[in-house]
Amino acid sequence: DAGVIQSPRHEVTEMGQEVTLRCKPISGHDYLFWYRQTMMRGLELLIYFNNNVPIDDSGMPEDRFSAKMPNASFSTLKIQPSEPRDSAVYFCASRTPMGGRGSDTQYFGPGTRLTVL
Amino acid sequence: RKEVEQDPGPFNVPEGATVAFNCTYSNSASQSFFWYRQDCRKEPKLLMSVYSSGNEDGRFTAQLNRASQYISLLIRDSKLSDSATYLCVVNMYTGGFKTIFGAGTRLFVKA
Repeated sequence: DAGVIQSPRHEVTEMGQEVTLRCKPISGHDYLFWYRQTMMRGLELLIYFNNNVPIDDSGMPEDRFSAKMPNASFSTLKIQPSEPRDSAVYFCASRTPMGGRGSDTQYFGPGTRLTVL
Repeated sequence: RKEVEQDPGPFNVPEGATVAFNCTYSNSASQSFFWYRQDCRKEPKLLMSVYSSGNEDGRFTAQLNRASQYISLLIRDSKLSDSATYLCVVNMYTGGFKTIFGAGTRLFVKA
């Protein structure tokens, strides 16, 4: 049973370039989350979707960040233009539907380690 | 005040020791609670959910105290492989869904 899939696993880019991170959630999960993790700030929720609809993007740091979920099996997080302070690990997670024990649980992908030079 | 607070540690314990972590949350609307484990340079992974009745999984016991708004994780007979960061997670449903991760508690188990 495949877990959450993210690509690329590592990305090194130069300041000013566009970066696109990709995520495939676990089939059947109805929520998808994008997180960013740094040593200084820990794990931060950027945005989440429910049934492909963006629900809360209050964690998106600024307009350079955008996220889409065109269908239930794919989401992207885009940074344009990228800056050195965007360097972090970006995790995607999906969540089991509500109802019963074991629900409401997030499962994380392996993350994308982004370095902006 | 942070909505979810954990002692960052690090906790340095010998193999075989019992260690306990606490996590406090500020929003009484919090409804579901979890402990995640994160190894260095890896993604967070669910360790266990925390239920009002408390729950145990082998050497791990999680408890929830709604009145005092804290959850705890007890690890008995610590193993070297338990060395990791333990994240407390709180989900809330207040006009919408919200999930908050604590900053994590680092545990080092020494031989």
